Amino acid sequence: EPEVTQTPSHQVTQMGQEVILRCVPISNHLYFYWYRQILGQKVEFLVSFYNNEISEKSEIFDDQFSVERPDGSNFTLKIRSTKLEDSAMYFCASSEPVAGGYEQYFGPGTRLTVT
Amino acid sequence: RKEVEQDPGPFNVPEGATVAFNCTYSNSASQSFFWYRQDCRKEPKLLMSVYSSGNEDGRFTAQLNRASQYISLLIRDSKLSDSATYLCVVNAGSNFGNEKLTFGTGTRLTIIP
Repeated sequence: EPEVTQTPSHQVTQMGQEVILRCVPISNHLYFYWYRQILGQKVEFLVSFYNNEISEKSEIFDDQFSVERPDGSNFTLKIRSTKLEDSAMYFCASSEPVAGGYEQYFGPGTRLTVT
Repeated sequence: RKEVEQDPGPFNVPEGATVAFNCTYSNSASQSFFWYRQDCRKEPKLLMSVYSSGNEDGRFTAQLNRASQYISLLIRDSKLSDSATYLCVVNAGSNFGNEKLTFGTGTRLTIIP
């Protein structure tokens, strides 16, 4: 069964450093997403991406964040200058249309720890 | 009012019991509804989409009441492997096909042998 993959599984970085989180969505999916989950809190939407551009972004997704689809398979989230409060689990998801809506499938996540 | 509200639990129920979860959402324009399950420190996994007519998948039944903005999930004959956090999820996207999902905080379920 096809699945979303993410690398690395765990990233430790120092405050102020740039990080790039990588995702390979399911191959025939056209819509891509990033979510984050701070430990003990709910999953929060960051950004959606379609046709090589951002479709929608949340208030969390400020100028420190960017997304890119550098080739036909990868989808990346860059955080330019990490803050302590960026420590969270970051999930990538992808979706395709099915009857009645679009079902999103999540990758296993990257645990980002900012020290 | 929270966008998606769930009873956080925990629900501790014996194996074989039936358990029901409820959820309410605030955005009446929401179009798609889902139940996901999340195991500790893992990704959300899609359990089922929820349709207006209600739908069933094996031991799981989901219902949607648009008028009351209420979603439910029923698990029959619960098994130890059903222990997880159940997430009520609503599409809050502004464009068709652009599903910005809004998650509830989840309801923790533990099945007791």
